[in-house]
Amino acid sequence: AQSVAQPEDQVNVAEGNPLTVKCTYSVSGNPYLFWYVQYPNRGLQFLLKYITGDNLVKGSYGFEAEFNKSQTSFHLKKPSALVSDSALYFCAVKRDSSYKLIFGSGTRLLVRP
Amino acid sequence: DARVTQTPRHKVTEMGQEVTMRCQPILGHNTVFWYRQTMMQGLELLAYFRNRAPLDDSGMPKDRFSAEMPDATLATLKIQPSEPRDSAVYFCASGLSGREKLFFGSGTQLSVL
Repeated sequence: AQSVAQPEDQVNVAEGNPLTVKCTYSVSGNPYLFWYVQYPNRGLQFLLKYITGDNLVKGSYGFEAEFNKSQTSFHLKKPSALVSDSALYFCAVKRDSSYKLIFGSGTRLLVRP
Repeated sequence: DARVTQTPRHKVTEMGQEVTMRCQPILGHNTVFWYRQTMMQGLELLAYFRNRAPLDDSGMPKDRFSAEMPDATLATLKIQPSEPRDSAVYFCASGLSGREKLFFGSGTQLSVL
């Protein structure tokens, strides 16, 4: 079975500071890992994915994520947060051969000016 | 700019009434997903179509929910009869088989009184 855990309901950070949103996963086989962002009253938007290759993946809006196989983690990071980054962030996982994308519970990021 | 279109954006109805939600996937996409988002359960996969064929509807309550793709440009999710516990935001997403990125619509916010 596949599962995703986002241990923090909310992350607060000051503008200009680095941010990390945590995600751990459980999947049999090779994991495909994703981050999506949801702004108020909007659908989810793709940020980045890890399938294979370099453990550090770069995505949209300056975000990046680091795949750590031994810790089964895929934390989202950004060196310098913007107020406009405030949104709901979802980590997701699927098995390499599966269509079924399983989402975490989401983490609300609040960047204060 | 290609996008997934969902209608209606909002729907308020009374218990027992039929509800139909519509989705126009991005032209050329051959996979369609229906997700439901609630505070308690997060994002749940309801149904999955590939090349208009329903391959997975295990997430749907079978007695009241049905999903169809009458043609490649339209996917529908129907609830009959609706119940207050169906109140949620329903998202449609489309993609290309073999490509990992999903494109989400803005959702239908359903309130069943």
